[in-house]
Amino acid sequence: AQSVAQPEDQVNVAEGNPLTVKCTYSVSGNPYLFWYVQYPNRGLQFLLKYITGDNLVKGSYGFEAEFNKSQTSFHLKKPSALVSDSALYFCAVRDLNAGNNRKLIWGLGTSLAVNP
Amino acid sequence: EAEVAQSPRYKITEKSQAVAFWCDPISGHATLYWYRQILGQGPELLVQFQDESVVDDSQLPKDRFSAERLKGVDSTLKIQPAELGDSAMYLCASSLGAGNEQFFGPGTRLTVL
Repeated sequence: AQSVAQPEDQVNVAEGNPLTVKCTYSVSGNPYLFWYVQYPNRGLQFLLKYITGDNLVKGSYGFEAEFNKSQTSFHLKKPSALVSDSALYFCAVRDLNAGNNRKLIWGLGTSLAVNP
Repeated sequence: EAEVAQSPRYKITEKSQAVAFWCDPISGHATLYWYRQILGQGPELLVQFQDESVVDDSQLPKDRFSAERLKGVDSTLKIQPAELGDSAMYLCASSLGAGNEQFFGPGTRLTVL
């Protein structure tokens, strides 16, 4: 069965330190992988995606993510965290082998708190 | 920058009443999605349109929820009658196609009393 796991409900990091938000997935075929961010009382915003090619993907606001096929992971990273990065982060995956039913499978979200 | 528009932003209603939400996707986006999000949880897909056709409504409670996208552009999601458990954020998103990244509107926060 297709699934996405975000093993940490909450991540706390000090401003200026590197941050990592973890995501692992399980699909039967090749994945499309996405990260979205949700600021308080706001809709979701697209951050970045992996489809094919370079395993390191760069996205908005200085975020990047590394696709690791052997570990079936797609961790979100940023070299230096900002207080304004505090938000809820969602990982999502689409199974390219799912035919016409290309529904996005969402993780449960990780709350990131960046402390001044 | 093009955005997905939703209205109203907030809706308070009493149970058993009817409510309707409207969504205008980014121009040219063929795929439109309605999601329900409970506070602190991930979004749950209610219905997905490709142009004017429904391609996935497996999680839509069809006894009370309905959705339409008559001309393949804007869309309406209706709940009749509303129940207490329907209180949530209702998000609309659109994408160029089903495999592309989705762009979300600001959402409608529904409170059912």
